[in-house]
Amino acid sequence: DTAVSQTPKYLVTQMGNDKSIKCEQNLGHDTMYWYKQDSKKFLKIMFSYNNKELIINETVPNRFSPKSPDKAHLNLHINSLELGDSAVYFCASRATGDYGYTFGSGTRLTVV
Amino acid sequence: SQQGEEDPQALSIQEGENATMNCSYKTSINNLQWYRQNSGRGLVHLILIRSNEREKHSGRLRVTLDTSKKSSSLLITASRAADTASYFCAGAAGNKLTFGGGTRVLVKP
Repeated sequence: DTAVSQTPKYLVTQMGNDKSIKCEQNLGHDTMYWYKQDSKKFLKIMFSYNNKELIINETVPNRFSPKSPDKAHLNLHINSLELGDSAVYFCASRATGDYGYTFGSGTRLTVV
Repeated sequence: SQQGEEDPQALSIQEGENATMNCSYKTSINNLQWYRQNSGRGLVHLILIRSNEREKHSGRLRVTLDTSKKSSSLLITASRAADTASYFCAGAAGNKLTFGGGTRVLVKP
């Protein structure tokens, strides 16, 4: 299936831990994103990579570090997790031009 | 920061009725997009309207864009129970897509 796939789907972890979320797209898109959706359903862009190069880095704590080993993969590593990091994290990709984004199904992160 | 506001925040209608939701945005955009999110799922792209377009149709969806007022509307005609979801508008500028707060739509059978 052509898609944006994220793993894991659910992640429950304790404060202070370090965790990673992985994202892969097989659509051949050049640009990938991480979005955070909070408990009120607001979606906020975090990072974007274009062909492995970081192009968007919003005001995000430096505990969050994205990594793109190739243009089909964009991972998100989070250090020293805090309660406020609890949210749903979405990966997305898009082709160059006026096209819609394709979103993954999300990773629900719960920090306890 | 959010791109703008969506109105209403929630909408409850009977199956067969039309659902209209509005979106306002703050900055210049290249295009405006609408997405649907079912509960506990990812976002699905519905329709894209470019900044030089005023109206676009796709199946039961009709979207308008007024760049002078920085606003857009999405109309879903002849709604079905399966249309129950949250709907988000998002403005695209360069490489960035910025979302509004969403409208929760409940279609009662």
